[in-house]
Amino acid sequence: DIQMTQSPPTLSASVGDRVNISCRASRGISTWVAWFQQKPGKAPKLLIYKASILQNGVPSRFSGSKSGTEFTLTISSLQPDDFATYYCQLYDSFWTFGQGTKVEIK
Amino acid sequence: QDHLVQSGPEVKKPGASVRVSCKASGDTFGNYGLSWVRQAPGQGLEWMGWISTYNRNTVYAQKFQGRVTLTIDTSTTTASMELRGLRSDDTAVYYCARDRAPRRLDTFDLWGQGTMVTVSS
Repeated sequence: DIQMTQSPPTLSASVGDRVNISCRASRGISTWVAWFQQKPGKAPKLLIYKASILQNGVPSRFSGSKSGTEFTLTISSLQPDDFATYYCQLYDSFWTFGQGTKVEIK
Repeated sequence: QDHLVQSGPEVKKPGASVRVSCKASGDTFGNYGLSWVRQAPGQGLEWMGWISTYNRNTVYAQKFQGRVTLTIDTSTTTASMELRGLRSDDTAVYYCARDRAPRRLDTFDLWGQGTMVTVSS
């Protein structure tokens, strides 16, 4: 099975910072990667699908990219509402989540 | 607007079984697949399995093969997940989630509110 290794586990940042979260696949895959945001006590929310396509209604400060087997979620200017945990997900014949990245206030 | 509404919290003893339901509104049934995802307290997301609401095909995560069964009832537009042989490490919030696109395996754009299952003697 393909594994998704997400980093960093925790990220401390300030409002206005540019933030990058990475997911690396254990072997070459297509672009079937999504990114989710989850806040405590809530279901995850889809941000990005097919590596770089912004889900309807998601602010444009969120973006996704792919380079080789590495996938990156970028928040261009961190806002107070963005402090949350983020997960990558590979979806192909199976679905696999990364371990999560908690974005904390610095 | 489409919704997924799950059944209420459950408390079970080790070795028992639990069934969690997920009622879909809108055009989910007959068009989309539904997955089940769980999250243990303070832990990450874990995909358990997928069922098609248009042909009843299922795909299970290897970890849960033989211990979980996914079913649908088209008359009530309700999906169910049964987990058997419960252990304390099955304590988690269980979510149903719908594929983003119809009639294809996809990521999830609609989630239920989650159902807390507690396994304790």
